[in-house]
Amino acid sequence: AQSVTQLGSHVSVSEGALVLLRCNYSSSVPPYLFWYVQYPNQGLQLLLKYTSAATLVKGINGFEAEFKKSETSFHLTKPSAHMSDAAEYFCAVAPGGGYQKVTFGTGTKLQVIP
Amino acid sequence: SQTIHQWPATLVQPVGSPLSLECTVEGTSNPNLYWYRQAAGRGLQLLFYSVGIGQISSEVPQNLSASRPQDRQFILSSKKLLLSDSGFYLCAWKVPGDTGELFFGEGSRLTVL
Repeated sequence: AQSVTQLGSHVSVSEGALVLLRCNYSSSVPPYLFWYVQYPNQGLQLLLKYTSAATLVKGINGFEAEFKKSETSFHLTKPSAHMSDAAEYFCAVAPGGGYQKVTFGTGTKLQVIP
Repeated sequence: SQTIHQWPATLVQPVGSPLSLECTVEGTSNPNLYWYRQAAGRGLQLLFYSVGIGQISSEVPQNLSASRPQDRQFILSSKKLLLSDSGFYLCAWKVPGDTGELFFGEGSRLTVL
């Protein structure tokens, strides 16, 4: 079984401030972990993924995430928020090794204040 | 390159009416196909997935069904819609056995009145 918990359904940051979106996972096998972004009334697109290689993963648009097995966490960060980062972000987990099913968290809406 | 199309983009249906949402993938063969529903505050709920023609796995008992009549076509249906079926439906595909990402369509917003 696998699950993810995203802490905070809404996060507000000032433009230029650090973005930190939290994700904790549960998986009975070594997981693959993903962050997706969704803009209003659109599908999801991949920001970054962890698939058992480097624990610090860099993605698009300046985002990165660190896999911490001891904390079962995969938090998403960006050093400096931009207005265009305002969107909903989803953490997701899948069992490693050619997965079929992906389980998503409930999402975090990021608001960027000018 | 691969593309995924969903239609219709928006649908308003009365309670008790039937539903058919279609999803087609182009530029790949034998993809894994998925239907998710997104409701406010509940994230993405996996409804159905398919690893091949005629092979459907249902994740949640509900008023919906799915079919895969062709390799790259995935259809979500209902015989009689309920108010609770309202939501944003997303189709997605991935390469079988791959560690990579899901590729999502643009979504279909269903409102049941």
